[in-house]
Amino acid sequence: ETGVTQSPTHLIKTRGQQVTLRCSSQSGHNTVSWYQQALGQGPQFIFQYYREEENGRGNFPPRFSGLQFPNYSSELNVNALELDDSALYLCASSLSVGNTEAFFGQGTRLTVV
Amino acid sequence: GQSLEQPSEVTAVEGAIVQINCTYQTSGFYGLSWYQQHDGGAPTFLSYNALDGLEETGRFSSFLSRSDSYGYLLLQELQMKDSASYFCAVRGRDDKIIFGKGTRLHILP
Repeated sequence: ETGVTQSPTHLIKTRGQQVTLRCSSQSGHNTVSWYQQALGQGPQFIFQYYREEENGRGNFPPRFSGLQFPNYSSELNVNALELDDSALYLCASSLSVGNTEAFFGQGTRLTVV
Repeated sequence: GQSLEQPSEVTAVEGAIVQINCTYQTSGFYGLSWYQQHDGGAPTFLSYNALDGLEETGRFSSFLSRSDSYGYLLLQELQMKDSASYFCAVRGRDDKIIFGKGTRLHILP
């Protein structure tokens, strides 16, 4: 157990809908990163939040957005869901931006139908 | 941009030694990490190399050569529970951690 918790664990949505995924970071960690992992692939970096500010973004469209709260928990929002958004969404927290070790939550399995 | 290359699959025998290689291309480099992921589980951190050389942690060792943009993960005394996917990941100048596509390790009894 890493201390990083994500909710929900599984979710089924219809194409065109919106979804919000949540992540509670490990105590003392101020940096949260979100990843999308398709089956059989490595985690793809979506974005990172540091002290409530976005601190880097991967190659994902603007309909992927996020927030980090004062307690360093975080949300990932995806608008206008597409079938290809079906994946495991992983949240990882780090002690700080430059820290090398990321602690992952168990992920949210999103299925878009 | 950043990219990492690692073999898609490796097969080894229980009790043996296996090496998983990773080559990377990145704009700015601060270190190479390795993560293990079992089916249905989350990636878990194994090791990190910022400097050239070998880092040993129990049965697992990791090596880095920055001049060759190359690293490897060495697993010794393989156990069936080591069957998993292994990812190399780089931290670049922008502090993002970028993952490779992963190597699926199959262990035969």
